[in-house]
Amino acid sequence: EAGVAQSPRYKIIEKRQSVAFWCNPISGHATLYWYQQILGQGPKLLIQFQNNGVVDDSQLPKDRFSAERLKGVDSTLKIQPAKLEDSAVYLCASRYGGRGGNEQFFGPGTRLTVL
Amino acid sequence: QKEVEQDPGPLSVPEGAIVSLNCTYSNSAFQYFMWYRQYSRKGPELLMYTYSSGNKEDGRFTAQVDKSSKYISLFIRDSQPSDSATYLCAMGGANTGGFKTIFGAGTRLFVKA
Repeated sequence: EAGVAQSPRYKIIEKRQSVAFWCNPISGHATLYWYQQILGQGPKLLIQFQNNGVVDDSQLPKDRFSAERLKGVDSTLKIQPAKLEDSAVYLCASRYGGRGGNEQFFGPGTRLTVL
Repeated sequence: QKEVEQDPGPLSVPEGAIVSLNCTYSNSAFQYFMWYRQYSRKGPELLMYTYSSGNKEDGRFTAQVDKSSKYISLFIRDSQPSDSATYLCAMGGANTGGFKTIFGAGTRLFVKA
């Protein structure tokens, strides 16, 4: 079974530039999460999708971050414009859901450096 | 007060030692308790998953949950250099339309050969 795919793996941009990350979850997983992990901290949830609908985006800085999950499969996370404090690893995770399906499977992450 | 508190370490132990990792939490609504392992430059992977108070064992790993004290632990027996990683505790529960997880900051573990 293929895991969660993310691209790019690394990205370096200057502040005020835009950037986008892509995630392809495990096939059949209805729930998709985007997390931000700052160095030395645990992952912090940015947004959660159930199929193609948003379940929780309470911690997403909506003035600069946006995310979509078209057709309930792939997802993109965009930052526009980026700030220095956005430097972090952006993790995508997916979950099957339903009975016995609470495990979240994580991708390798995209490491963003904002200069 | 953070919902989940975890000592970031680092924790350095010799090979073969018993390792104890701990977290406290404040939200009594949490229903699921998990431990994730994260190697450098990789995403977290689920190690242990428990639903109720008590112990759960899987090979060299034992997860312990004490809901009355809001305290969870992970014990690693006969630690190996390959166990060197960051260990994240996580608490979860159902929210509207889904399942939400809150992570601790992670404890960095080094097992020396």
